[in-house]
Amino acid sequence: DAGVTQSPTHLIKTRGQQVTLRCSPKSGHDTVSWYQQALGQGPQFIFQYYEEEERQRGNFPDRFSGHQFPNYSSELNVNALLLGDSALYLCASSENFRTETYEQYFGPGTRLTVT
Amino acid sequence: GNSVTQMEGPVTLSEEAFLTINCTYTATGYPSLFWYVQYPGEGLQLLLKATKADDKGSNKGFEATYRKETTSFHLEKGSVQVSDSAVYFCALSPRGGSEKLVFGKGMKLTVNP
Repeated sequence: DAGVTQSPTHLIKTRGQQVTLRCSPKSGHDTVSWYQQALGQGPQFIFQYYEEEERQRGNFPDRFSGHQFPNYSSELNVNALLLGDSALYLCASSENFRTETYEQYFGPGTRLTVT
Repeated sequence: GNSVTQMEGPVTLSEEAFLTINCTYTATGYPSLFWYVQYPGEGLQLLLKATKADDKGSNKGFEATYRKETTSFHLEKGSVQVSDSAVYFCALSPRGGSEKLVFGKGMKLTVNP
């Protein structure tokens, strides 16, 4: 059973460009969350998708957007990249957010470097 | 708001030493509390969790007790191993369930033989 997978592993972009990161959730999971982890910091919640809709959002600008597909996979898009967007982007999946007993399973992350 | 404050490292211990990593939180309501571990080059893994006051989470020799009166969730292990070298994150979920996680800054632990 494959866990959470993310692609690509590493990415280098230039300021002002746009980037798309991808995530496939663990089998049986329908909820996907995205986190940004700056170097030496804890992950920061970006947003969460369930039933193809954004149901929660953290304190991130509109340059950060996402999408969830019918097969529960998800994309994170970042427009107009800034140097400060350089970070490890983590995807986490879980069962239906209404379940009380759950675990968020994290993928290995995508390392984004903005130059 | 919701926040987590934890000991920051890095910390270096010898094998078989006792480990304590302090974690305190601020939250409205009754959050669920977690410890995650991040091994080099890997994603986060859930180490243990507690969903209500006085619950004790335990896994792989690690323990933490949800203390509502002191808003704390300190991680302990009686005898660390080299394989425990990793970054440890304390986190809370404000309303439990598959809600967003709020993380502390993490503490890097190195265990030497």
